[in-house]
Amino acid sequence: NAGVTQTPKFQVLKTGQSMTLQCAQDMNHEYMSWYRQDPGMGLRLIHYSVGAGITDQGEVPNGYNVSRSTTEDFPLRLLSAAPSQTSVYFCASGQNYPAAQSGNTIYFGEGSWLTVV
Amino acid sequence: AQKITQTQPGMFVQEKEAVTLDCTYDTSDPSYGLFWYKQPSSGEMIFLIYQGSYDQQNATEGRYSLNFQKARKSANLVISASQLGDSAMYFCAMRETGNQFYFGTGTSLTVIP
Repeated sequence: NAGVTQTPKFQVLKTGQSMTLQCAQDMNHEYMSWYRQDPGMGLRLIHYSVGAGITDQGEVPNGYNVSRSTTEDFPLRLLSAAPSQTSVYFCASGQNYPAAQSGNTIYFGEGSWLTVV
Repeated sequence: AQKITQTQPGMFVQEKEAVTLDCTYDTSDPSYGLFWYKQPSSGEMIFLIYQGSYDQQNATEGRYSLNFQKARKSANLVISASQLGDSAMYFCAMRETGNQFYFGTGTSLTVIP
């Protein structure tokens, strides 16, 4: 009963380092997304994907790359970490219903706490 | 412009009392969905309740109900008979056509024994 699995849970990076946050889901969801959560800012969408080979930018994509080679995995890459990227990152997945009237929620991972020093 | 606005950064409620958490939204899409999530101190995001823009009745899920006022573009969450375990951050979210969810800044609810 894994759902959405994020790794690592905690990470400290030095400015300029690169790293990848992993996200995997076992629910056969077409839609996957990455959010960052900052105090007083809520959750902001970084990138999302509606299927393997398809990705798109959200509200705050700068400094992040994504790829979707399989249905299950949606890694988030920080190419050159900056202190402004210190945040909690959430991966979420859901069924891909274009119609907004679908009551299907998205399912979140447990979050990854990233600190850039 | 903000898609979702939550104007209450923090709220307090006495145990067993009801509390309303405010949420207003902004969209020109006639078809949209509104969601509420709870985030306890452990950090996970828990789905609570959903309301579709064409739904005629307010959504209810156990002690949670959604006071949907379409003309005012508000979707307030009402928690009845508050419990200590309800202390958490609460996020309102909206989904327009497509899969993108827009979240508010959240309201921190503290239940006082």
